[in-house]
Amino acid sequence: AQTVTQSQPEMSVQEAETVTLSCTYDTSESDYYLFWYKQPPSRQMILVIRQEAYKQQNATENRFSVNFQKAAKSFSLKISDSQLGDAAMYFCAYRSGENTDKLIFGTGTRLQVFP
Amino acid sequence: DAGITQSPRHKVTETGTPVTLRCHQTENHRYMYWYRQDPGHGLRLIHYSYGVKDTDKGEVSDGYSVSRSKTEDFLLTLESATSSQTSVYFCAISTLRDRETPTNYGYTFGSGTRLTVV
Repeated sequence: AQTVTQSQPEMSVQEAETVTLSCTYDTSESDYYLFWYKQPPSRQMILVIRQEAYKQQNATENRFSVNFQKAAKSFSLKISDSQLGDAAMYFCAYRSGENTDKLIFGTGTRLQVFP
Repeated sequence: DAGITQSPRHKVTETGTPVTLRCHQTENHRYMYWYRQDPGHGLRLIHYSYGVKDTDKGEVSDGYSVSRSKTEDFLLTLESATSSQTSVYFCAISTLRDRETPTNYGYTFGSGTRLTVV
């Protein structure tokens, strides 16, 4: 079974600085998808970024980028120019490329942003 | 955003009573999911559905049942609620197979239901 591990329960960053959240996963599959979701205090789950395993190029979305290391099974999220609104829980998630379509989550990292 | 609503948003119930949570979608997606979120555990899959009357268990399915009699509705039932089922419950839909909405690629989540069992 696939597993997702987020080893940092909490992280903090100064406004305008850069922070990296770690995620590793375990799988025997070669075709899959990876996601980062943000959950602010409103409880809403918001897609931050996604990565298809067959793509070697790292995904980017404005200030958010990933470092996808397929061989190492690592999928870290980098937030540049951090803003107060980035403060939230961040979840890494794995989706099998097979027909189950199940999304498996890590335990989350709470990010604090200080002015 | 895909139309997905959960009801109720909050509920307090007594131990031993049955509880049903409802997830409703408006865009005809095939895959629907129920997750529970607990501190230190992230989101864990309870049950999922891949079509009308087609459901399967997730990793924490004990004590829960689901039904999907229509594409748009996915119901989660706690047959006899226990305090260990106090949690926040999320419904989600998968849009990954919907080639007609490439801008909505991924999963969309409902707003969650906070359930307290006393």
